[in-house]
Amino acid sequence: KQEVTQIPAALSVPEGENLVLNCSFTDSAIYNLQWFRQDPGKGLTSLLLIQSSQREQTSGRLNASLDKSSGRSTLYIAASQPGDSATYLCAARFLSGGYQKVTFGTGTKLQVIP
Amino acid sequence: DTGVSQNPRHKITKRGQNVTFRCDPISEHNRLYWYRQTLGQGPEFLTYFQNEAQLEKSRLLSDRFSAERPKGSFSTLEIQRTEQGDSAMYLCASSPRRDNAEQYFGPGTRLTVT
Repeated sequence: KQEVTQIPAALSVPEGENLVLNCSFTDSAIYNLQWFRQDPGKGLTSLLLIQSSQREQTSGRLNASLDKSSGRSTLYIAASQPGDSATYLCAARFLSGGYQKVTFGTGTKLQVIP
Repeated sequence: DTGVSQNPRHKITKRGQNVTFRCDPISEHNRLYWYRQTLGQGPEFLTYFQNEAQLEKSRLLSDRFSAERPKGSFSTLEIQRTEQGDSAMYLCASSPRRDNAEQYFGPGTRLTVT
């Protein structure tokens, strides 16, 4: 069974700092890994998708990396802003029972202090 | 098309009542997913449709839950004889048919069972 873990569960940083969010998965045979942002009481907004053949993806101040052999992905946020405050979720897509399934981590709640 | 939409956004119901939620995916997406998210947790997979065919159901989906996608467009999720443990955010996502495609989420329906 694929398990996805995100540590820490919560993180508080001052505005302007660079930070890294971590995501670990137990089964290295993943198809892709997707990072999402979730604001309180809202749905999920996709940030970055990394296919299994890729090592990283970049969008603006965000950079996501994928290391299948170690079962890890990181989301790097440069020059953090108060508007970045949200819960960040990673989700691994893998094959189970003949179908591709997605398993989410429990998220890291980020607070950027002005 | 502005994305995945879900209705209602909030539903409060008394224990024992039936509720039905609706999801309208992005129009060209033929894959549709339902997830459930409780406070402080990541979304958990419930079920998955490709066009009108329900291809996978999680063991989380008890006999009181049923999902349909009759014409391969919108989908409904019905919960019969609701219980307090059903209180959660119900999220819908859609994606194109190609493998490893990115999932796009709706805003969710928050269910409170009193």
